Amino acid sequence: GQQLNQSPQSMFIQEGEDVSMNCTSSSIFNTWLWYKQDPGEGPVLLIALYKAGELTSNGRLTAQFGITRKDSFLNISASIPSDVGIYFCAGSNAGGTSYGKLTFGQGTILTVHP
Amino acid sequence: EPEVTQTPSHQVTQMGQEVILRCVPISNHLYFYWYRQILGQKVEFLVSFYNNEISEKSEIFDDQFSVERPDGSNFTLKIRSTKLEDSAMYFCASSEGARGNEQFFGPGTRLTVL
Repeated sequence: GQQLNQSPQSMFIQEGEDVSMNCTSSSIFNTWLWYKQDPGEGPVLLIALYKAGELTSNGRLTAQFGITRKDSFLNISASIPSDVGIYFCAGSNAGGTSYGKLTFGQGTILTVHP
Repeated sequence: EPEVTQTPSHQVTQMGQEVILRCVPISNHLYFYWYRQILGQKVEFLVSFYNNEISEKSEIFDDQFSVERPDGSNFTLKIRSTKLEDSAMYFCASSEGARGNEQFFGPGTRLTVL
């Protein structure tokens, strides 16, 4: 099946720093999504990307859908303590014979020191 | 803001027992999903459900698993005879359309099999 490699596995940063994480896939997706998960809770959708090359922002978050459709990155600017959590990328090929199954990356654990 | 809800939040069961996990998807959504997350690992797709039937399932979703939408609001996952390795967080998700594919997740049910 499709595999997503997400990096880095973990990050320790100071409050105010910018953060960048990315996902690469062995095959193409037609949708990339980024989720944040707090301990003991469900993933919360941050950004959805639908077109190759698309760059989308949500507040301090910016994500891009790679031109090859096999990668995506997420940037967080001016990090704050509440950014702490696990960030997951997910890919989908909804449409055609697929009904939107998400394939998740392994997650990036973000720790922000005040 | 509408959200996906799940009950119970935590279920403890003995190996071999049947469990039913319940979800109430967002009311105007048409596509429903179950995912699981073993502690410390990534989120894994189990099954998608549309128009009152399973549309896609993973290799994890074997004969011990079944899903049902018994009425207009609930969506359930049944595990017929639980095994130790079924211990995980189980997340329900829903989306308005598969192509749009913005899946919104519930808070999860932590299943512990003893």
